[in-house]
Amino acid sequence: EDQVTQSPEALRLQEGESSSLNCSYTVSGLRGLFWYRQDPGKGPEFLFTLYSAGEEKEKERLKATLTKKESFLHITAPKPEDSATYLCAANSYSGGGADGLTFGKGTHLIIQP
Amino acid sequence: DADVTQTPRNRITKTGKRIMLECSQTKGHDRMYWYRQDPGLGLRLIYYSFDVKDINKGEISDGYSVSRQAQAKFSLSLESAIPNQTALYFCATSDNRVADTQYFGPGTRLTVL
Repeated sequence: EDQVTQSPEALRLQEGESSSLNCSYTVSGLRGLFWYRQDPGKGPEFLFTLYSAGEEKEKERLKATLTKKESFLHITAPKPEDSATYLCAANSYSGGGADGLTFGKGTHLIIQP
Repeated sequence: DADVTQTPRNRITKTGKRIMLECSQTKGHDRMYWYRQDPGLGLRLIYYSFDVKDINKGEISDGYSVSRQAQAKFSLSLESAIPNQTALYFCATSDNRVADTQYFGPGTRLTVL
């Protein structure tokens, strides 16, 4: 059974204090690793897709990286508007023809001014 | 206008009632999905559809049914709602490539009393 584990569950940072969120995955054949941002009461908003180990993607203050066992979401000099829950999800071959995502429980990030 | 819309956005109903949640998309995607989100459990896949004639069960399909009325419309039904179906429900869509990015709607908050 596919598993995606995110840590920490919650993280409180000061504005400008850089940090990283972790996503560990145990899947049979990763097809894609996805990062989403979710604001309270809203749907997940797509951030990044990573397909192979060593791949990196950046967007503004966010950078996602992927290894064979985990992914990191690095946040550089965050601002209060970066406060949200960040979700990691995996799509794998173990689902056969299925194409659903296995989600982690998320990291709730708070950036204090 | 939003690419993925869901109606209703909020619904309160009673145990035993039949409920239908609707999803429409203007992204031109073939694949559509229904997920539910519960506090502490993350998002879980209920049903997915690769096209109008191809519908598949996800991880937690018991108690739910779906209908793909057109490429752009995918409905989720609770035939006889029960309190533990109280959750946030999200529709998502993706293009017709394996492990393509899934884009989520704004969600429906369902409360079953």
